[in-house]
Amino acid sequence: KQEVTQIPAALSVPEGENLVLNCSFTDSAIYNLQWFRQDPGKGLTSLLLIQSSQREQTSGRLNASLDKSSGRSTLYIAASQPGDSATYLCAANTGNQFYFGTGTSLTVIP
Amino acid sequence: GAGVSQSPSNKVTEKGKDVELRCDPISGHTALYWYRQSLGQGLEFLIYFQGNSAPDKSGLPSDRFSAERTGGSVSTLTIQRTQQEDSAVYLCASSLLRREVDTQYFGPGTRLTVL
Repeated sequence: KQEVTQIPAALSVPEGENLVLNCSFTDSAIYNLQWFRQDPGKGLTSLLLIQSSQREQTSGRLNASLDKSSGRSTLYIAASQPGDSATYLCAANTGNQFYFGTGTSLTVIP
Repeated sequence: GAGVSQSPSNKVTEKGKDVELRCDPISGHTALYWYRQSLGQGLEFLIYFQGNSAPDKSGLPSDRFSAERTGGSVSTLTIQRTQQEDSAVYLCASSLLRREVDTQYFGPGTRLTVL
């Protein structure tokens, strides 16, 4: 069974810092890896999707990388802002199911 | 257009009662997914629909859980004889087609509390 782990569980940084969130998965047979953002009391919003054949995807200040062979993905957030405060989840799509990590709770301090 | 909607937003029930949770996907989205998010834990995949059929039901935690989708649109997740461990936020998502490159759009969730 696919297991997805996210480190750290929580992160607090001052505004303006660059930061990296980590996601690891045990089964490299995935179709894609997605990063989501979840705000309190709300559903998830897709941020970036990396297909299995891709190495990275970029959207604005966000950059996600994927290394299937090592079972790792990272989400890089540049010049963090207080509005980035949320829980970030990664999900591995194995074709039949989607496996989510437990998330990283990010707080950006003004 | 409207996003994914779920109802009710909150549901409090007594142990042993049955509950129905509803999901209205984005119009035209072929695929529909149900997840459960327990306090302090990640999302747990329950089931997905391709049209009205559910190719994989193995994510459902027990036979007290069932789901159906009619008309390729609305889906209902039913929990029979609810238990306290069923308390969680139930999230629904939809996508255009269950493909490798598709993005899922999530609803706001239904918070279920079993007393």
